[in-house]
Amino acid sequence: DAKTTQPTSMDCAEGRAANLPCNHSTISGNEYVYWYRQIHSQGPQYIIHGLKNNETNEMASLIITEDRKSSTLILPHATLRDTAVYYCIVRVFGDSGTYKYIFGTGTRLKVLA
Amino acid sequence: DTEVTQTPKHLVMGMTNKKSLKCEQHMGHRAMYWYKQKAKKPPELMFVYSYEKLSINESVPSRFSPECPNSSLLNLHLHALQPEDSALYLCASSQVGNTIYFGEGSWLTVV
Repeated sequence: DAKTTQPTSMDCAEGRAANLPCNHSTISGNEYVYWYRQIHSQGPQYIIHGLKNNETNEMASLIITEDRKSSTLILPHATLRDTAVYYCIVRVFGDSGTYKYIFGTGTRLKVLA
Repeated sequence: DTEVTQTPKHLVMGMTNKKSLKCEQHMGHRAMYWYKQKAKKPPELMFVYSYEKLSINESVPSRFSPECPNSSLLNLHLHALQPEDSALYLCASSQVGNTIYFGEGSWLTVV
């Protein structure tokens, strides 16, 4: 299964952009990259996903490199409420014909006032 | 509405007890998942049901027994657990191949 690696922790000043990297060098051509965040051990919350093109929604932007070996989640104007653990996930198609969502190690983002 | 409801929120059980965790969704999703999360670790996939059939078991010990009675419900039956099984158990659902949505989890403590 494709694996993802992320920095353990990052700090970001409030109001600045937070750029969270993810390495997924073993990703296959049809495997999507998803990003979730988890606040205080609540259930993970969906943020954004993409295959090869850059994506943007009301929460964030996702930049995927052309070779698809890495991606960056961008929170354009971080607030204190964005303090959370951010997970980069690869959706893989398993041998059983079912999709699996494999979590990376996660980055603990702390937004500083 | 992207709500996945898990009950109970907290469960304390002895090593000889039998208990169940329940998960419910009314989004018409046909894939449902159980994940286990230890403190300061990422969630780990345990089981996947697709169209009410068990399609993935990630080599989970038999003391964990999943059940999908219908397309809206997912249970996790627990029996003869060990203290190291104490964790946050997360349920999720999705349309097959689409974004998964998580419940808030059930905190399990085995004493």
